Amino acid sequence: DGGITQSPKYLFRKEGQNVTLSCEQNLNHDAMYWYRQDPGQGLRLIYYSQIVNDFQKGDIAEGYSVSREKKESFPLTVTSAQKNPTAFYLCASVGEGGFTEAFFGQGTRLTVV
Amino acid sequence: DQQVKQNSPSLSVQEGRISILNCDYTNSMFDYFLWYKKYPAEGPTFLISISSIKDKNEDGRFTVFLNKSAKHLSLHIVPSQPGDSAVYFCAAKGGTSYGKLTFGQGTILTVHP
Repeated sequence: DGGITQSPKYLFRKEGQNVTLSCEQNLNHDAMYWYRQDPGQGLRLIYYSQIVNDFQKGDIAEGYSVSREKKESFPLTVTSAQKNPTAFYLCASVGEGGFTEAFFGQGTRLTVV
Repeated sequence: DQQVKQNSPSLSVQEGRISILNCDYTNSMFDYFLWYKKYPAEGPTFLISISSIKDKNEDGRFTVFLNKSAKHLSLHIVPSQPGDSAVYFCAAKGGTSYGKLTFGQGTILTVHP
């Protein structure tokens, strides 16, 4: 059963702590993305990676970091520098070729307490 | 700089009637467009796409129209069903690479029985 798995589904973090969100895919996709969704807003791109060991900043990268050591995995770290981290985080991947759709995970709801 | 815009935050239609969701874009480099459906606290699911070489693509009850000169696309759902009630996102990217997938703000569709 191919797909994208995000974990955990719900995550609580104390202010000042770093936290890492997991994203794993078994679709053999090269490209992976992290988006953030806030209430009443669209999906905003945080980071994306087109190949292992390479990644680019999206539109709202400040306060976040990523790594891409394996094709299957693209973890996102929300650092203490992120001023407003409470949001719904979505990971996606895209297969070979430009004209293909992105597949999304089920999301992680991060709440700062 | 909102490159993909969905100017209607919400749309309400009667069951059995047509739903028309609109999307405008500003970046002329976009050549692949997608529509996603999203329920609360879940990841978006792909509905339908269109490349810039076409002006229409149909899949069952869903049809996407692309007007390149106006930089406008629309999603038609006929007939609308209560189960179609969700948030619909328009997305766009340059299809020649795995690059950035840019989303609109979303439109909340409510289909009344």
